[in-house]
Amino acid sequence: DQQVKQNSPSLSVQEGRISILNCDYTNSMFDYFLWYKKYPAEGPTFLISISSIKDKNEDGRFTVFLNKSAKHLSLHIVPSQPGDSAVYFCAASKYFGNEKLTFGTGTRLTIIP
Amino acid sequence: KAGVTQTPRYLIKTRGQQVTLSCSPISGHRSVSWYQQTPGQGLQFLFEYFSETQRNKGNFPGRFSGRQFSNSRSEMNVSTLELGDSALYLCASSLDSNRGGYEQFFGPGTRLTVL
Repeated sequence: DQQVKQNSPSLSVQEGRISILNCDYTNSMFDYFLWYKKYPAEGPTFLISISSIKDKNEDGRFTVFLNKSAKHLSLHIVPSQPGDSAVYFCAASKYFGNEKLTFGTGTRLTIIP
Repeated sequence: KAGVTQTPRYLIKTRGQQVTLSCSPISGHRSVSWYQQTPGQGLQFLFEYFSETQRNKGNFPGRFSGRQFSNSRSEMNVSTLELGDSALYLCASSLDSNRGGYEQFFGPGTRLTVL
């Protein structure tokens, strides 16, 4: 039972344009959401997070949007850069501070120069 | 500050054998979590240890076990290996969620192949 879903296994975006990665979840108990980025042969690296009390959180080129009623979150990267090419995972937990993360299956983002 | 280290990086075993993987967290981090990554399944939570005690557990069979030592280093063990255990095993450490140190830092993983 995949409680966190990333329905697009891959995405290609032109350099300089906006990349939008989507994530859906089914468990209404999830309260805290995170995005991780993973390069080959490395572990995932934390990018940005959002609590369910917010609907938007920004950090530089990265913005995460949360729509609780739709159980949907998205990560916007603007402008996209070649170094952003990686696999992106969204993850959820039942509360801030719970180390048990439920991950999606990932979206491979390719930035085309 | 050194990152999370995992040893070995690659491992090949045969069905029925057992394996032990090791994880050294970032200095000062007391929480260590383990995840299994397989194609199509994403990362699945195995368990988390904090101060030598298992604090959270995922939905894996009892063949998967772990422990944490007083220096926060952790090991996970898989007994009676099956072909489906072939995966990348990732370890993550975090400071202490009760003090707001929630961000998990991941190691590079151990790639286990079961033949």
